[in-house]
Amino acid sequence: DVVMTQSPLSLPVTLGQPASISCRSSQSLVHSDGYTYLNWFQQRPGQSPRRLICRVSNRDSGVPDRFGGSGSGTDFTLEISRVEAEDVGVYYCMQGTHWPYTFGQGTKLEIK
Amino acid sequence: EVQLVESGGGLAQPGGSLRLSCSASGFTFSRYWMSWVRQTPGKGLEWVANIKQDGSQKYYVDSVKGRFSTSRDNARNSLYLQMNSLRAEDTAVYYCARDANMSPLGYWGLGTLVTVSS
Repeated sequence: DVVMTQSPLSLPVTLGQPASISCRSSQSLVHSDGYTYLNWFQQRPGQSPRRLICRVSNRDSGVPDRFGGSGSGTDFTLEISRVEAEDVGVYYCMQGTHWPYTFGQGTKLEIK
Repeated sequence: EVQLVESGGGLAQPGGSLRLSCSASGFTFSRYWMSWVRQTPGKGLEWVANIKQDGSQKYYVDSVKGRFSTSRDNARNSLYLQMNSLRAEDTAVYYCARDANMSPLGYWGLGTLVTVSS
């Protein structure tokens, strides 16, 4: 199975400051169809996960433009340009290129 | 509005069975791959299974192969997860999810809690 490794696992951030989460996969996530199925999810306390970014850098509907995704191959990054209070929660990367789909361990974002 | 509502969770004994359902609305159910994902208490996420639009392809994580089976009824806009030979480690919140924008898990339900304990 593809192992997804996130860092850091804990991310204290000051309101209004940027934040960045790294995700590395144990093998390339480029699918035979040419797409890279790397998604990012946010899970706020007490809520279901919500997808923020699909296929590396495509923001889902309703996701604020302060969230951005980048990367290629095996190295990916989620960036939040200016953290707001509502961004508190756990962030997961997930690969949907290889069966079975696998998730990272999660990064807990908190406000300093 | 896309809505996914899971049901059927509860307490089961080790070795027992449960059948989860996911009722879908707000979209044409038969057009989408559907998935089951679980989250153990206080821990992370694990994709469990998914099923193609017409039910002709199904995939499972190794830990549930031979014990869990997913199916769908497109006429009823419903997804199912039959869970047999349950183990304590199957205790989790189970979510159903729909693909979106050509990528997995674009929409999630609220989840249903399964507890396996004697």
